[in-house]
Amino acid sequence: SAVISQKPSRDICQRGTSLTIQCQVDSQVTMMFWYRQQPGQSLTLIATANQGSEATYESGFVIDKFPISRPNLTFSTLTVSNMSPEDSSIYLCSVERADNEKLFFGSGTQLSVL
Amino acid sequence: SQQGEEDPQALSIQEGENATMNCSYKTSINNLQWYRQNSGRGLVHLILIRSNEREKHSGRLRVTLDTSKKSSSLLITASRAADTASYFCATDPNTGNQFYFGTGTSLTVIP
Repeated sequence: SAVISQKPSRDICQRGTSLTIQCQVDSQVTMMFWYRQQPGQSLTLIATANQGSEATYESGFVIDKFPISRPNLTFSTLTVSNMSPEDSSIYLCSVERADNEKLFFGSGTQLSVL
Repeated sequence: SQQGEEDPQALSIQEGENATMNCSYKTSINNLQWYRQNSGRGLVHLILIRSNEREKHSGRLRVTLDTSKKSSSLLITASRAADTASYFCATDPNTGNQFYFGTGTSLTVIP
């Protein structure tokens, strides 16, 4: 298994500000993912965080809005920039280990933008 | 969108009853997985069924897969109040790295 520490667990932010979410894994992993879950909805993949290179973003998500860092194989950050109320969601980091086909999730960051 | 769909969206049962939820998907898959989410927190993996398997059991969980119909079902037997959560199916398609999550079923088990 993989133990993932994600923080903050929740935050209330003002419109126009930015929030950085951190994800720390207890072992080295190749694949790290960032998901968004809007209220009452399913998970949507924002991007795949690649170690040593730029993240790969899914359609509808751009680097300027959701910059991602992946400085090593155990850590990643997602920044939600210039926030608006529409960014209010749960943000989840997830990892997939090379020897295991399932996803392991952090506990999520519940973001509310006023 | 390649997102799967689940039904029902919400399910409310009495403790001790069985709960069945269904998932339909759109593409060819390597495997299908079911996850559980408590109160909008992180998801926890429950069970994985491969494309060449038709049925799998794990404790009180039973999963079936029909690749010809592109559908799966999750049965929770003898439900408990602690089973109250949202349940999501996720498909691992033949192409690409992305998992596609279904729309989810919100299960409430009444003590």
